[in-house]
Amino acid sequence: AQSVTQLDSQVPVFEEAPVELRCNYSSSVSVYLFWYVQYPNQGLQLLLKYLSGSTLVESINGFEAEFNKSQTSFHLRKPSVHISDTAEYFCAAGNTGGFKTIFGAGTRLFVKA
Amino acid sequence: EAGVVQSPRYKIIEKKQPVAFWCNPISGHNTLYWYLQNLGQGPELLIRYENEEAVDDSQLPKDRFSAERLKGVDSTLKIQPAELGDSAVYLCASSLGGGAGNEQFFGPGTRLTVL
Repeated sequence: AQSVTQLDSQVPVFEEAPVELRCNYSSSVSVYLFWYVQYPNQGLQLLLKYLSGSTLVESINGFEAEFNKSQTSFHLRKPSVHISDTAEYFCAAGNTGGFKTIFGAGTRLFVKA
Repeated sequence: EAGVVQSPRYKIIEKKQPVAFWCNPISGHNTLYWYLQNLGQGPELLIRYENEEAVDDSQLPKDRFSAERLKGVDSTLKIQPAELGDSAVYLCASSLGGGAGNEQFFGPGTRLTVL
């Protein structure tokens, strides 16, 4: 992957509302795709990943992302957010067979009561 | 299982001073990464180790930055001398393997402020 673009730097949303965090990548070869989440004062941790197979991947806490090759996108969605989902979310990509992971600039999700 | 440990968590120094950051990866993880994270940006790779060998240091500013991973476990990243522009968060991560499909486990980072 050459670059990863997260289109929104901040996304405020009310509790129980749906949310979509957008991510686009550029690459001339096949890619692996990731979403990492960073809660306050903690390290980044993997939320979900696409390596191959089904283009729709899910996390254990209700997030999902869909790999769209034609749109070169990997948007993250959740149908109903909780206050505890407030965090920074990073999209990342790495070339299949490669060794380097490129991170986007991050999207700060702020869930309001 | 303990996660990736970094110390110190915060460091404030004056410009031209040296500084060092320490990282202890997850046990058994052969691959170790040091990333730089500027405010409002994502992590950017500085150096990647496979065991004790630095296999990708192309983005490490070698005039002032150095790193080592003795015995293929703990690692230290050093800056000498520090400049104002080095103020950032320095992240350490580890993974079982170095391929781009591997999950990386991150430490909490060291926030460096250079005055």
